[in-house]
Amino acid sequence: DVKVTQSSRYLVKRTGEKVFLECVQDMDHENMFWYRQDPGLGLRLIYFSYDVKMKEKGDIPEGYSVSREKKERFSLILESASTNQTSMYLCASSLPGTGSYEQYFGPGTRLTVT
Amino acid sequence: QQQVKQSPQSLIVQKGGISIINCAYENTAFDYFPWYQQFPGKGPALLIAIRPDVSEKKEGRFTISFNKSAKQFSLHIMDSQPGDSATYFCAANNQAGTALIFGKGTTLSVSS
Repeated sequence: DVKVTQSSRYLVKRTGEKVFLECVQDMDHENMFWYRQDPGLGLRLIYFSYDVKMKEKGDIPEGYSVSREKKERFSLILESASTNQTSMYLCASSLPGTGSYEQYFGPGTRLTVT
Repeated sequence: QQQVKQSPQSLIVQKGGISIINCAYENTAFDYFPWYQQFPGKGPALLIAIRPDVSEKKEGRFTISFNKSAKQFSLHIMDSQPGDSATYFCAANNQAGTALIFGKGTTLSVSS
C-alpha cells in the first residue's frame, strides 16, 4: 500500500521561528511536491522536486525553501515563520516525468503561527 | 493561461440526485485532467482522470465530461450518497508537464 507520511499532524510555532516540515514516501517516487491549502484558494504549489537535490519553484515559493537529500524525504522549511503562513501543508509524490501521473498525498500538517 | 477555474464553490445535493462540478481552462497545451477527492482530515486522493482525446470517461457513479473546443470539463456524480460528501478538486498538468494546477475546490454535501 502506497504511503506518504508527514512528521506532524498539528504544529504551533511562534512568529520568527524556523520551522521544518518533513515528508517521507515509501514508493520510490522521483517527484515530490509541497502544497499549501487554504479555504477558498484550493491547493497552491510551493515547491517540487524531480530528483534528489533538484528543486523547482512553484506558484508561491516566497518565504519557503526545501531540501531533498534522499529520494524518499522532502522537507519544507519556513526560514522565519509569519502569521500569514498559518495553513494546511500537504506533501505529495508521483512517478517521474510529466504531471500526468497520479499524485499520492500525505494527511497534511496544520501549522498555526502565533 | 495557467489557471483552472472551478465552480461552484459549494454544492448541496439530495441523496440520489446528480452532483455536477465544472472546470474551465485556458491553456490548450494541457493534456491531462484529473479530479481529486478529499475527505476531512485526509489528503486528496485521485478519483478519476481524462485525456483530451476522449469526450467522456465513466467509473462507476463518477463521470468526467470533456469539451475540448470549449476548454471545459466537468465531474458528474450520479445517485449521490452521503458518503460522497467531500471536497472535490479539478486539476490540469502545467505547461511544462511537471506539476498539476488545481482548481479552488468544491465542497459537496449530500443530504440524506
